[in-house]
Amino acid sequence: AQKITQTQPGMFVQEKEAVTLDCTYDTSDPSYGLFWYKQPSSGEMIFLIYQGSYDQQNATEGRYSLNFQKARKSANLVISASQLGDSAMYFCAMREVDTGANSKLTFGKGITLSVRP
Amino acid sequence: DTGVSQDPRHKITKRGQNVTFRCDPISEHNRLYWYRQTLGQGPEFLTYFQNEAQLEKSRLLSDRFSAERPKGSFSTLEIQRTEQGDSAMYLCASSFRGELFFGEGSRLTVL
Repeated sequence: AQKITQTQPGMFVQEKEAVTLDCTYDTSDPSYGLFWYKQPSSGEMIFLIYQGSYDQQNATEGRYSLNFQKARKSANLVISASQLGDSAMYFCAMREVDTGANSKLTFGKGITLSVRP
Repeated sequence: DTGVSQDPRHKITKRGQNVTFRCDPISEHNRLYWYRQTLGQGPEFLTYFQNEAQLEKSRLLSDRFSAERPKGSFSTLEIQRTEQGDSAMYLCASSFRGELFFGEGSRLTVL
């Protein structure tokens, strides 16, 4: 069975600084996909970044990058140059088989990020 | 707005009543998912449709829950004889090739 672990308590970061949100995972599947979503207070889950298990390079999307360490089974999200609008819940998630055919995701419990002005 | 839309956004009901939520996915998305999110937790998978066929149901989906997608477009999630433990955010998502696009959710409060 798949498992996503997010154990950090609420995180605080000063505006314009970088922050790392931790995520570890456990799966027996050799092929999988890892995702990060942002959930502001409005409730909508906003896709941020994706990493496939066979991708050779760490994924980057604008200010978001994913520090993928396959041997350690970790997929930490790095947000550079934090903005006040980054304050939200952040969820790490995993897809069972990275074929795109079935997008069922298993989510972690999430991390609250607060950006201080 | 061509994103995933859910209705109602908020629902307060008394224990024992039935409630129904609707999800309109992004047009041309053939896959539709329902998730439940309780306070302080991540979303948990409930069920999944490909077109009108319900292909997978979580054990979380008790007999009081039923989901339909009659014409392969919008979907409904009905909860019968609601219990206080059903209080949660019900999230709908759709996809075509892989990436999930979520709606803003329907928040249910059972008194």
